[in-house]
Amino acid sequence: NAGVTQTPKFQVLKTGQSMTLQCAQDMNHNSMYWYRQDPGMGLRLIYYSASEGTTDKGEVPNGYNVSRLNKREFSLRLESAAPSQTSVYFCASSVGNRGVLGYTFGSGTRLTVV
Amino acid sequence: TQLLEQSPQFLSIQEGENLTVYCNSSSVFSSLQWYRQEPGEGPVLLVTVVTGGEVKKLKRLTFQFGDARKDSSLHITAAQPGDTGLYLCAGAWGATRFGAGTRLTVKP
Repeated sequence: NAGVTQTPKFQVLKTGQSMTLQCAQDMNHNSMYWYRQDPGMGLRLIYYSASEGTTDKGEVPNGYNVSRLNKREFSLRLESAAPSQTSVYFCASSVGNRGVLGYTFGSGTRLTVV
Repeated sequence: TQLLEQSPQFLSIQEGENLTVYCNSSSVFSSLQWYRQEPGEGPVLLVTVVTGGEVKKLKRLTFQFGDARKDSSLHITAAQPGDTGLYLCAGAWGATRFGAGTRLTVKP
C-alpha cells in the first residue's frame, strides 16, 4: 500500500544547480499535484496535471517545470535553484480534478538551497 | 486571493481536555477537507464535508461544515497525546486552498 512515493527525502543544492524531484502513485488516480509548504503560509500549489498529457500552472509556478511522464509519474524540475526555493515539497494525487474530494500526499522532500 | 484563516495558530492542552479549532473564509466552498500532519510526513486526509450544516464524526473527532459553506470547525473530545500534530483545513471551489494550520500539542 505505497500510495504516493517521493524521492529524494532530503536534498541540499547550491544556488544555480538543477535537480528533479520524482513522484509516483499506485492508486490509478488521474490528477497529480506539486505543492510547497513554508512556515506560516500553508501549502501552495506549484503545478498540477489533471490527466495524463496535460499540465497547468498553479499559484506559484515561477522557477519550476513539470513533466507528467505517464499516469503514475509526475516530476518537478528546478532548472536554476534559488534560496527562495528552500522549502518542503509535497506531491499529491486525487481521484477527481482539483482535489475536490481530497488528496493523498507523499511524505515530502525537504530542499535547502544555499 | 482566496484566504482560509485557521485559529488558533497554536494550542497546547493536557490529556483529557476538549478543544475546538476553526477554519474561516469569506468564500463559499464546494467542499472542505481536514488533514492532520505529523513532523516529517505529508498531510493525511481525515474528512471531506460537502453539504452546508453537515456534521461528521471520526471516533473522538467531530467535524462541522457551516450552513453557508464558508467555515468549518473540528472538535476533539478527551484529547490524547496521539492527537498531537498540525491540523490543516482546505477549501475547494475550483482551486483548492489550504489554511496555515493549527499546531496542537497534547501533553500527557
